[in-house]
Amino acid sequence: SYELTQPPSVSVSPGQTARITCSGDALPKKYADWYQQKSGQAPVLVIHEDDKRPSGIPERFSGSSSGTLATLTISGAQVEDEADYYCYSTDSSGYHRVFGGGTKLTVL
Amino acid sequence: EVQLVESGGGVLRPGGSLRLSCAASGFKFDDYGMSWVRQAPGKGLEWVSGINWNGGSIGYADSVKGRFTISRDNAKNSLYLQMNSLRADDTALYYCAREIAVAGTSWFDRWGQGTLVTVSS
Repeated sequence: SYELTQPPSVSVSPGQTARITCSGDALPKKYADWYQQKSGQAPVLVIHEDDKRPSGIPERFSGSSSGTLATLTISGAQVEDEADYYCYSTDSSGYHRVFGGGTKLTVL
Repeated sequence: EVQLVESGGGVLRPGGSLRLSCAASGFKFDDYGMSWVRQAPGKGLEWVSGINWNGGSIGYADSVKGRFTISRDNAKNSLYLQMNSLRADDTALYYCAREIAVAGTSWFDRWGQGTLVTVSS
């Protein structure tokens, strides 16, 4: 089965840039999406199709993808950005749809 | 306002069956694909199953294939998940999510608050 690999945790101070990576063999051919999940809440889409930001998501959230690595960047992270972040994509066939294991972002 | 409201969760024994529902409102339901995504307690997200706008294309995660069945009733603006032969590792919060599909890719732009399924002997 297909897997997306994320670091379990990332920690930054307020105002610093946080980068969360997602590795997957099919990412050169498939888009990655990113979801933010705060404690006790449903996930929220923050980036789709590698680098597109939905309306209402702050500009400090951006995405990129190169080769087998997709990256979510939070420029000037705020305390309110503390959350679990999940990447999502599919395998090369498009059949296996998977989330990464999630990355806990700590901002303090 | 887009709303997705899940219902039907509960506590049951291994081997049991359950039907989850998701009531959609605030948008044209039959314009969108839909999915179920689950989250075991303290764990990450897992895509479970998805269905396109008219039910003509359906997919399942390997972990539930042959046991779960997704369906929709566009006249009732509702999504369903029939869960059979339930196991302890099916214990999770089950989310209903709306999909945006464009040119061979899709993403989940709206989520419900989830309904909890607990399988325990």
